[in-house]
Amino acid sequence: EPEVTQTPSHQVTQMGQEVILRCVPISNHLYFYWYRQILGQKVEFLVSFYNNEISEKSEIFDDQFSVERPDGSNFTLKIRSTKLEDSAMYFCASSETRGTNEKLFFGSGTQLSVL
Amino acid sequence: GENVEQHPSTLSVQEGDSAVIKCTYSDSASNYFPWYKQELGKRPQLIIDIRSNVGEKKDQRIAVTLNKTAKHFSLHITETQPEDSAVYFCAAGGQFYFGTGTSLTVIP
Repeated sequence: EPEVTQTPSHQVTQMGQEVILRCVPISNHLYFYWYRQILGQKVEFLVSFYNNEISEKSEIFDDQFSVERPDGSNFTLKIRSTKLEDSAMYFCASSETRGTNEKLFFGSGTQLSVL
Repeated sequence: GENVEQHPSTLSVQEGDSAVIKCTYSDSASNYFPWYKQELGKRPQLIIDIRSNVGEKKDQRIAVTLNKTAKHFSLHITETQPEDSAVYFCAAGGQFYFGTGTSLTVIP
């Protein structure tokens, strides 16, 4: 079965540094998402992306965050100046459609630790 | 936006018993309600979903019921097994607002 892949699986960075988290969505999917999960808490929506632009974003997704689809396969999340509270598991997801059939397929996540 | 509440936060059952997890949502326009299972350290995986034009859906030992009038939906797991132990999340709304999760432990 096709999978969403994410790299790296773990990322350790110093506060104030920039990080880029990478994702390869399932090839025929058109909608891409980033979520985060702070340890022991629920999964929180960050942003959705379709047709090379952000379609929706949450209040968490502030000016420190950006997303990009630099080529036909990768989907990236950039955090410009990391803060301690950015430490979390970041999940990429993709779906084939939106609306009544928006099944999400999650990647295995990137554990980000900000020191 | 959508507000999803999930209960209970933890649930322990004996192997073979049933488990029920309930979620409520606030946006009457929501029309898709998935349930995800997340094992420790793993990604969330879709286990069952229901759309607003259906009241109940079953897949082997798992079922989901939806009450649109009351804006709640529930996950039912029958004949629980130790491998059902995980955190279960409900979701609603086009952006997938997730519930706070239920940690299910099945005691052998």
